[in-house]
Amino acid sequence: AQTIHQWPVAEIKAVGSPLSLGCTIKGKSSPNLYWYWQATGGTLQQLFYSITVGQVESVVQLNLSASRPKDDQFILSTEKLLLSHSGFYLCAWRGTENTLYFGAGTRLSVL
Amino acid sequence: SQWGEENLQALSIQEGEDVTMNCSYKTYTTVVHWYRQDSGRGPALIILIRSNEREKRSGRLRATLDTSSQSSSLSITAAQCEDTAVYFCATDASGSWQLIFGSGTQLTVMP
Repeated sequence: AQTIHQWPVAEIKAVGSPLSLGCTIKGKSSPNLYWYWQATGGTLQQLFYSITVGQVESVVQLNLSASRPKDDQFILSTEKLLLSHSGFYLCAWRGTENTLYFGAGTRLSVL
Repeated sequence: SQWGEENLQALSIQEGEDVTMNCSYKTYTTVVHWYRQDSGRGPALIILIRSNEREKRSGRLRATLDTSSQSSSLSITAAQCEDTAVYFCATDASGSWQLIFGSGTQLTVMP
């Protein structure tokens, strides 16, 4: 069975500080991976997707970047956080018929 | 109905009542997904309906799809308190990597 793990569970960071969020998937070979962002009370906005190691496509520009250093790992980062980065970050892998399987998410508060 | 950038909609019902949530989508899709998101957790697929299906049932859930009006609905029969969650519809633009989520419906089922 496939499992997806996100870390950390929650972060409280200062404006202007760097950020790194991680996602690991086990039990799935060469997964298509996604990062989504969700504002409180909002919908899910796709940020990035990756179909293979070293290849990442950006969907929206939010002063964030993503990397795929390993087949089972997807990293979201920025060098300088903004207040608008606050929210819930979700990693997902894509199954059949474009079904997404999400991790538990990381709650980010930027102060 | 949910779509686009509208704020999360809210529905509040009593336990045992039936409820229907609606979704409109803008581009051709091969499938409509319905996800459920519990507070503080990632969304999970609860039912999926393909473009060649008009209705799909799963337990107390019933999804419908009208491709001519580009709309879908999710009904819950005899709602229970544990059905309290946010419900999202999502579609994939044919040939796209992107799964586009609706604005969501916050359903609260009261005892």
